[in-house]
Amino acid sequence: DAGVTQSPTHLIKTRGQQVTLRCSPKSGHDTVSWYQQALGQGPQFIFQYYEEEERQRGNFPDRFSGHQFPNYSSELNVNALLLGDSALYLCASSLGGRVRRTDTQYFGPGTRLTVL
Amino acid sequence: DAKTTQPPSMDCAEGRAANLPCNHSTISGNEYVYWYRQIHSQGPQYIIHGLKNNETNEMASLIITEDRKSSTLILPHATLRDTAVYYCIVQRSNSGYALNFGKGTSLLVTP
Repeated sequence: DAGVTQSPTHLIKTRGQQVTLRCSPKSGHDTVSWYQQALGQGPQFIFQYYEEEERQRGNFPDRFSGHQFPNYSSELNVNALLLGDSALYLCASSLGGRVRRTDTQYFGPGTRLTVL
Repeated sequence: DAKTTQPPSMDCAEGRAANLPCNHSTISGNEYVYWYRQIHSQGPQYIIHGLKNNETNEMASLIITEDRKSSTLILPHATLRDTAVYYCIVQRSNSGYALNFGKGTSLLVTP
């Protein structure tokens, strides 16, 4: 158990709808990263939040947005859902700090999103 | 970040050592080697990481060649619960942001 929690576990939406996924980081961690994992593929980096700001972003459209709260928890929002957004969405937490450095990322169990 | 190459699949008998190789021939001096594994439909689990020296923890050992162009993850006594996809990732020490997962190695531990 990595101590990272995500909700909900599963979610079914229809095309065009909007979805919000939630993540609570491991105790003591201040940085949250989000990944998308399509079936049969490795996780793909969406973005990372530190001090309530997006610090790095992967190659994902603006339909994907996020937020980090003062307690370090985070949300991932996806607007105008497409069938291709069906995937496992993973949250990872780490201790980022003000200086860029490698700190081990610990993953939550993920949220399985199905878009019909 | 340097690219990694792993075999797509491997088998291992239960109780035997599982040795998972990874090539990272373009690795640079400040890049770490990380290993994660993902059991079906769960989130990736951190296993171990290293820079130059061999590393060991309660889960596994990481052997990095002297030229750092390849590494091997060793599970000393594989169990059925070790069946998973294993990812070898190279990451710069001063980035700490995105983990670039490839396709990994699907390890099947058989009775």
